[in-house]
Amino acid sequence: DVKVTQSSRYLVKRTGEKVFLECVQDMDHENMFWYRQDPGLGLRLIYFSYDVKMKEKGDIPEGYSVSREKKERFSLILESASTNQTSMYLCASSSNPPMNTEAFFGQGTRLTVV
Amino acid sequence: SQKIEQNSEALNIQEGKTATLTCNYTNYSPAYLQWYRQDPGRGPVFLLLIRENEKEKRKERLKVTFDTTLKQSLFHITASQPADSATYLCALGGGSSASKIIFGSGTRLSIRP
Repeated sequence: DVKVTQSSRYLVKRTGEKVFLECVQDMDHENMFWYRQDPGLGLRLIYFSYDVKMKEKGDIPEGYSVSREKKERFSLILESASTNQTSMYLCASSSNPPMNTEAFFGQGTRLTVV
Repeated sequence: SQKIEQNSEALNIQEGKTATLTCNYTNYSPAYLQWYRQDPGRGPVFLLLIRENEKEKRKERLKVTFDTTLKQSLFHITASQPADSATYLCALGGGSSASKIIFGSGTRLSIRP
């Protein structure tokens, strides 16, 4: 059974803390993504990576950074957490065409910044 | 900037009817369009993919159309059932940044018995 696993289901952090969200996939996918989901705003792309050590900004990269040192692992870093980063964070992975390009998602991390 | 709009935030229909959801996009030339289902507290799950050179795709009770001239996709669920109640998201990929996948805000579909 294919899997994308996020390290935490729920997290509570304090304003100003450095926060790491980890994601691991076991499908040997080239691409990995970090999205945040807020009511009424859908999934907004923060960053994605198409290869080890390669990354591209999504639509809302401000306040975030990412790291991909190994193909199976993609980390999202909040350098200094703020209350407006309270959200559901979803990690996903996918293959490149001509393989199936569907995204497989993790279970999500609900982050609360207090 | 690239934009995806799903016209209805919520749709409420009677069991047995056909549900039709709309996805429009601007400033984008996708190679493919996807539809996902999301249940509360869970990540989205892939349903269907349609490529830019395809007009229509079917899978069981699901049908997707893709009009690249209108920049629009329609997603149909025929003979709808209460178990189809969920949020449905459209997604675009394979544009100028080949690996990038972007999502719309979703339509919350409720099927009443």
